[in-house]
Amino acid sequence: QSALTQPASVSGSPGQSITISCTGTSSDVGSYNLVSWYQQHPGKAPKLMIYEGSQRPSGVSNRFSGSKSGNTASLTISGLQAEDEADYYCSSHAGGSTYVIFGGGTKLTV
Amino acid sequence: QVQLQESGPGLVKPSETLSLTCSVSGYSISSGYYWGWIRQPPGKGLEWIGSIYHSGSTYYNPSLKSRVTISVDTSKNQFSLKLSSVTAADTAVYYCARDFGVVVAANFDFWGQGTLVTVSS
Repeated sequence: QSALTQPASVSGSPGQSITISCTGTSSDVGSYNLVSWYQQHPGKAPKLMIYEGSQRPSGVSNRFSGSKSGNTASLTISGLQAEDEADYYCSSHAGGSTYVIFGGGTKLTV
Repeated sequence: QVQLQESGPGLVKPSETLSLTCSVSGYSISSGYYWGWIRQPPGKGLEWIGSIYHSGSTYYNPSLKSRVTISVDTSKNQFSLKLSSVTAADTAVYYCARDFGVVVAANFDFWGQGTLVTVSS
């Protein structure tokens, strides 16, 4: 099964909002409300930012929000801050024997 | 606070078996959840390798399934990864992580720091 499709890069200025898309198929993103988003700074382990499409783990800023429409999930970051500059990955449960697939990652430049 | 720590050789020869262990502290593996392995080749994206449920049920990436074995040792609060017949394409940072999803769904909330494994003769 192919990786979820994310834009290679997005950029924004401090204070602005940006949205990162994650496009899958009716077999993964479209079938399950089980999309997660991870933030990864250089040389660090990924950090879970959103799970089950729109849920934020404890401690994650409410500037981060997730949504889904059809086969595309989105991560929106409002009030951009310099510390948000990182790579962002989406993942989705895929069912069957595939279980889970990741997106290729998006580099956010602030 | 849950903490995970990967350990194992940083260099593996081609065709040999890569073996890593993840030691968990702050939470008993036998209490629940899935426990997974994810890797990231240098400069590339994340790839799920596989996960194990606390009861021992395993789930593998179909593209790696023929070469992967994940096991758990609840007495030591550890779980392990074995990847056989490695090639240079298996060179990556390997992470272990806890997955709190109700299904194997990549809700990885706690991660190890990652360990770089290089496949080279």
